[in-house]
Amino acid sequence: DSGVTQTPKHLITATGQRVTLRCSPRSGDLSVYWYQQSLDQGLQFLIQYYNGEERAKGNILERFSAQQFPDLHSELNLSSLELGDSALYFCASSERTGFFTDTQYFGPGTRLTVL
Amino acid sequence: SQQGEEDPQALSIQEGENATMNCSYKTSINNLQWYRQNSGRGLVHLILIRSNEREKHSGRLRVTLDTSKKSSSLLITASRAADTASYFCATDAGFNKFYFGSGTKLNVKP
Repeated sequence: DSGVTQTPKHLITATGQRVTLRCSPRSGDLSVYWYQQSLDQGLQFLIQYYNGEERAKGNILERFSAQQFPDLHSELNLSSLELGDSALYFCASSERTGFFTDTQYFGPGTRLTVL
Repeated sequence: SQQGEEDPQALSIQEGENATMNCSYKTSINNLQWYRQNSGRGLVHLILIRSNEREKHSGRLRVTLDTSKKSSSLLITASRAADTASYFCATDAGFNKFYFGSGTKLNVKP
């Protein structure tokens, strides 16, 4: 158990809908990262937040947005969902802001299915 | 993949044997990490090697990095059935260029 929690575990929705995925980092970790893992695109970095501020941006679509709240939990919002958005979405956290030099601890993921 | 490619895509060995996986990448990097992922679960960080390092060990893991060939290898010695998982390399090329490879599926038969 990494100490990172994600809810929900599974999410089934329809095209065009909007969903929110939630992540709670390990106690004491200030950075939160979001990743998407799909069969055709593999594992992709989406975005990182550090202590409430956006720190780094990867291949995140404009239809997707994220935020980190004062209690350090983070939410990933996915809107105007398409079939291709079906994937596993992982959240990870790390202690500092050193991004790739920090060890990241991954949550169990949220499996999103868009029908 | 935009940056990393693992080779082989799949590897099946007997318990006790060594497993070697390779990762090739395209651009200069700051460092490279290896991760393990058990089926459908989150990734677990294994080891980080910086661009100025050539070899690193952690328990039964040995990682090498050859920046001139833009490649890295992960060796798992004396493999166990519990090592069955997918293994990914991930590269930090700076400027928020952070890529995972396509992964190697390792199956260790008891």
